[in-house]
Amino acid sequence: AQKITQTQPGMFVQEKEAVTLDCTYDTSDPSYGLFWYKQPSSGEMIFLIYQGSYDQQNATEGRYSLNFQKARKSANLVISASQLGDSAMYFCAMRRGTGGGADGLTFGKGTHLIIQP
Amino acid sequence: AAGVIQSPRHLIKEKRETATLKCYPIPRHDTVYWYQQGPGQDPQFLISFYEKMQSDKGSIPDRFSAQQFSDYHSELNMSSLELGDSALYFCASSLGTGLFDEQYFGPGTRLTVT
Repeated sequence: AQKITQTQPGMFVQEKEAVTLDCTYDTSDPSYGLFWYKQPSSGEMIFLIYQGSYDQQNATEGRYSLNFQKARKSANLVISASQLGDSAMYFCAMRRGTGGGADGLTFGKGTHLIIQP
Repeated sequence: AAGVIQSPRHLIKEKRETATLKCYPIPRHDTVYWYQQGPGQDPQFLISFYEKMQSDKGSIPDRFSAQQFSDYHSELNMSSLELGDSALYFCASSLGTGLFDEQYFGPGTRLTVT
């Protein structure tokens, strides 16, 4: 079974600072995908970034980067130069690797990030 | 760009009633996923379909059923509703079933059972 652990229920960060959201995972599958989603108070789930288990380089998407440490089974999200609009719930997720096809995502409990002016 | 469409956006039902949620994937996407997110909880995977066939099954109650139609839209049918079914129900779609294929989420249907 796969498991995602996010140990930071909530974080307060000053605007313009960088922030790191922690995510560790547990899986026995050799192939897996790791995803980060943002959920604002309005409720929608917004895809931010993903990392494949065989990717050699850390993924980056604009102000988002993923610090992937395979040996430590961690996939931390780094947001550079945080903005007030970054205030939201952030979920780390892993693609279930049952090999059967359209596998669902397993989510962590999330981190509630609040950016302060 | 076109996104995933879910209807209705809000639904209020009483206990023991039935509900049907609809999902229209992004054009050309052939794979649909359903998730349930209870208040203050993380999303839980329910079920998925690829090319109109059930593909993966998560924690979907027996009272729920779903299918994907020839035009790739999907419906989640929920019967004998319970208070605990009150949640935000997401549909997501993807093009293909690859491990690294991004799942695009719809805006969700907020179901309230009274």
